[in-house]
Amino acid sequence: ETGVTQTPRHLVMGMTNKKSLKCEQHLGHNAMYWYKQSAKKPLELMFVYSLEERVENNSVPSRFSPECPNSSHLFLHLHTLQPEDSALYLCASSQDFGGRVSEAFFGQGTRLTVV
Amino acid sequence: AQSVTQPDIHITVSEGASLELRCNYSYGATPYLFWYVQSPGQGLQLLLKYFSGDTLVQGIKGFEAEFKRSQSSFNLRKPSVHWSDAAEYFCAVGAQGFGNEKLTFGTGTRLTIIP
Repeated sequence: ETGVTQTPRHLVMGMTNKKSLKCEQHLGHNAMYWYKQSAKKPLELMFVYSLEERVENNSVPSRFSPECPNSSHLFLHLHTLQPEDSALYLCASSQDFGGRVSEAFFGQGTRLTVV
Repeated sequence: AQSVTQPDIHITVSEGASLELRCNYSYGATPYLFWYVQSPGQGLQLLLKYFSGDTLVQGIKGFEAEFKRSQSSFNLRKPSVHWSDAAEYFCAVGAQGFGNEKLTFGTGTRLTIIP
């Protein structure tokens, strides 16, 4: 299997549920990202992990909790979400060259619906 | 902080016609520029990128883009579109930040192809 794989592809959850999104990259990259894509809004960068350490948290509510156990895996733990959190959540990875920008490779996303 | 503007929310072109999607960026240093395409229900796929050198870059699927520093633009072009090109297109600018990279995306342009 190659590229960036996200599971599940679709998720419906109630506001009191706890669920997790999973991302796995098979590209040997050392940086991983979570983005949120809502209708009619630009992609929002949520979290960045570089070398398994979180280096960016763009004021994301605490009901979203990321976890990066190793350079190939990234999770987004969800609890007590709100209906406005319904969106497409995209995972991406890239090779961080210590300052030189490189392109990100994206997974197919998880379509999350909060009811 | 960097920003990206895609002034056209939706463009409709006939199959076989030429295409140009506009992208303007704001960034204080030399930009790293990208075009991504997203088909419905899918993640983002990189079409092409500009880091340095020749300002006309070639990408996949017959797309090209031209970097014009004087106009702060990075417009995407294709001489003859195919029905399969119908998708959403995102321009992005890459910024360096303490050893990790960040991409700032535009709001996207939805492309519709008519027979």
